[in-house]
Amino acid sequence: SYVLTQPPSVSVAPGQTATITCGGDTISGRYVHWYQQRPGQAPVVVVFDDNDRPSGVPERFSGSNSGNTATLTINSVEAGDAADYYCQVLAFSGDRWVFGGGTRLTVL
Amino acid sequence: QVQLVQSGAEVKRPGASVRVSCKASGYVFDNYAIIWVRQAPGQGLEWVAWISTYNGNTEYAQMMQDRVTVTTDTSTKTAYMEVRGLRSDDTAVYYCARVVSERPNSNWFAPWGQGTLVTVSS
Repeated sequence: SYVLTQPPSVSVAPGQTATITCGGDTISGRYVHWYQQRPGQAPVVVVFDDNDRPSGVPERFSGSNSGNTATLTINSVEAGDAADYYCQVLAFSGDRWVFGGGTRLTVL
Repeated sequence: QVQLVQSGAEVKRPGASVRVSCKASGYVFDNYAIIWVRQAPGQGLEWVAWISTYNGNTEYAQMMQDRVTVTTDTSTKTAYMEVRGLRSDDTAVYYCARVVSERPNSNWFAPWGQGTLVTVSS
């Protein structure tokens, strides 16, 4: 089955840029979606189809996807961005809906 | 607004069954599939099942396919997930979510239900 690999944690100071990666075999051939999950809350999509944002999500959130790595970038990080972030793709075989293991973003 | 509201927390004995409901509102129910995802305490997200609200087609994660059944009632815009033969490692928050598919080979999930905690304990 298809596997997505994320770093367990990323730390960044307020105002800096956070970069969260999601690795997968030829992931550039799939659409990647990113979810933010704050403690005790349900996940919320922040980027879909590699680099689109739902209405209401700040422009500070952006995505890219190339080769074997997709990336979620959060510019000018704020304290409220502290959360777990998950990438997700639709696989072509096996278990079709796949999540990465999640990355905890800590704002120092 | 578009929302999914799930049933309340459950406590079950090992070997029992549980049924979780997910009631949709604010959109045309038949136009979007429903997906079920679970999250064990302190762990990540894990896909459980998918159902087409249009024709009832289903897909199940390999790790649970012999113990889980998902259904929908289009008259009440409600999706259901039943898990049988519960084990302690089924303890998790179970989420339903609407599947958005605006491009081929793209499925993303929004919104999500608030989650239902299922605790399996003797």
